[in-house]
Amino acid sequence: QSVLTQPPSVSAAPGQKVTISCSGSSSNIGNNYVSWYQQLPGTAPKLLIYENNKRPSGIPDRFSGSKSGTSATLGITGLQTGDEADYYCGTWDNSLSAVFGGGTKLTVL
Amino acid sequence: EVQLVESGGGLVQPGGSLRLSCAASGFTFSSNWMSWVRQAPGKGPEWVANIEQHGSEKYYVDSVKGRFTISRDNAKNSLYLQMNSLRAEDTAVYYCARGSGSSWFDPWGQGTLVTVSS
Repeated sequence: QSVLTQPPSVSAAPGQKVTISCSGSSSNIGNNYVSWYQQLPGTAPKLLIYENNKRPSGIPDRFSGSKSGTSATLGITGLQTGDEADYYCGTWDNSLSAVFGGGTKLTVL
Repeated sequence: EVQLVESGGGLVQPGGSLRLSCAASGFTFSSNWMSWVRQAPGKGPEWVANIEQHGSEKYYVDSVKGRFTISRDNAKNSLYLQMNSLRAEDTAVYYCARGSGSSWFDPWGQGTLVTVSS
């Protein structure tokens, strides 16, 4: 069982918007930065969002991140079929370990 | 281009040992925390260990403490993971990643598969 809780799956139509939640506690999300990763089938995870809401160069502004209290949210607008992937949140825990969510599978209908 | 390339994975019997390597290029390796993250088949990523720039600080997930050792050679731009007393539950793709996990892991290598089975 993962330290961070994500919904197992979300779906939406092309062009629509979707949000993915990530719930933690005061020992992790509540006091640390959150990052988000996209994993396309058969590939390594790729950084999408870091420090709660910052995008690395090359990541389109269709992807956004936010954090409130002990939860974080990834938003994706203008959905494309190429966005179908597994999405993971991650953060640092005060037990001196990095932790991840269990992952959310995005289906673009 | 920032690049991480892992090697050393393979099939090993329970109780055996394996040493993973990660060759870094395209950035100042000695200025960065580095980590190992693994992903079991069909599961999400699990952070394994990280090491600060000069190797003096190291942290491990509880399940590998006392069995795995992370190290680095800044002169060779290389990161290592010595894995001893391997168990079936250590079977996973092992990724090398830049960063400690406190802000991000970026990038990740392509991964190397470790299979622990008799």
